Amino acid sequence: DAKTTQPNSMESNEEEPVHLPCNHSTISGTDYIHWYRQLPSQGPEYVIHGLTSNVNNRMASLAIAEDRKSSTLILHRATLRDAAVYYCILRGSNYKLTFGKGTLLTVNP
Amino acid sequence: GAVVSQHPSWVICKSGTSVKIECRSLDFQATTMFWYRQFPKQSLMLMATSNEGSKATYEQGVEKDKFLINHASLTLSTLTVTSAHPEDSSFYICSAGDRSDYQPQHFGDGTRLSIL
Repeated sequence: DAKTTQPNSMESNEEEPVHLPCNHSTISGTDYIHWYRQLPSQGPEYVIHGLTSNVNNRMASLAIAEDRKSSTLILHRATLRDAAVYYCILRGSNYKLTFGKGTLLTVNP
Repeated sequence: GAVVSQHPSWVICKSGTSVKIECRSLDFQATTMFWYRQFPKQSLMLMATSNEGSKATYEQGVEKDKFLINHASLTLSTLTVTSAHPEDSSFYICSAGDRSDYQPQHFGDGTRLSIL
């Protein structure tokens, strides 16, 4: 499975935008870019996913580089409830998700 | 959104007993379910992929006789940890989905298993 690289941790202030980067230089043409987040002692929660075009939903936006070797998850206005570990995952044709270490997002009040 | 229910939320049992964990998709049919294990301060590790009506596919290093998976219907998969020992204590999480490029996986809230 293609791997992703994310910063170990990031910090943000409440009500400010957050840009979470992800590098995936070995992405293949059929890999979808998925983002999930996990709060302590809970299962992961789906955030967003995309293939080539930028995507928006009620939770976040996903900006995908033109060469697809990187992407950025954008939380438009961070809240305390957004504090979590965010995982950027490439999902291939086998539909498996291989979780890396993710980025621990801290949101300051 | 799609809901996946996992039961029980937590279980404590004696060494040597077997423990069954259920994973149900409540409002959709899941052709595929996945089982993960997560140790403290670590990421999720995929244990096996379960397809409805067929045998589960286990990841390398996961003992299939130790972790029995049954996916008898499109809404239910079970993981049985047989003859559990303290080293099997972990957070077990299931996810469900269909084999679609447009749909994500939906995760249960996990089962905290503690073996004494």
